[in-house]
Amino acid sequence: EVQLVESGGGLVQPGGSLRLSCAASGFAVSISYMNWVRQAPGKGLEWVSVIYPGAYTYYADSVKGRFTVSRDDSENTLYLQMKSLRSDDTAVYYCARAFEAARRLNAFDIWGQGTMVTVSS
Amino acid sequence: EIVMTQSPATLSVSPGERATLSCRASQSVSMNLAWYQQKPGQAPRLLIYDASTRATGMPARFSGSGSGTEFTLTISSLQSEDFAVYYCQHYNNWPPFSFGQGTKLEIK
Repeated sequence: EVQLVESGGGLVQPGGSLRLSCAASGFAVSISYMNWVRQAPGKGLEWVSVIYPGAYTYYADSVKGRFTVSRDDSENTLYLQMKSLRSDDTAVYYCARAFEAARRLNAFDIWGQGTMVTVSS
Repeated sequence: EIVMTQSPATLSVSPGERATLSCRASQSVSMNLAWYQQKPGQAPRLLIYDASTRATGMPARFSGSGSGTEFTLTISSLQSEDFAVYYCQHYNNWPPFSFGQGTKLEIK
């Protein structure tokens, strides 16, 4: 079965760090376009980061320099290392696969169930 | 950065009627546009990609159209399970792959 399962969310103090994990099954993250998307309580979706099959990474301006996306191909797992966390980082964090078509990234067809990150003192 | 703007923010429609949702990009995204449906407490689900191609398993009552900067999602005959929030997103060329702010489709 093709699925993504996130873990690692929780309560963290402002300025703290947290690492999210996203375990994939049914496909290989190493050859996929893997994304993180977040959703603050009661708000819309915000794209956060992507890692390409060639390991190129990109970030939203709101997290650039604070978040790092990576993957472990042997564990078939995606990660999001978050540091210098702020209250406005409070959100449900989803990992999502963007499928490939014509050798390019396309829409996000597989989503995890999300993991909640709360930044509060 | 490409900004995606959806309208209206909320749409009230009766079951069985047609719903039309709009999405505008601040610059051309060609046909690199997707629509997602999200129900409370659930992850988003892909409905439409490449502006008009239905994702696997999506009912034929969902259709997408448009190109460049103007896009439309149409639900031809609303069913009870269609009341949800809908997001558009571009994936043109380079990140950030921004989403619209969403349209909440509610029962009239």
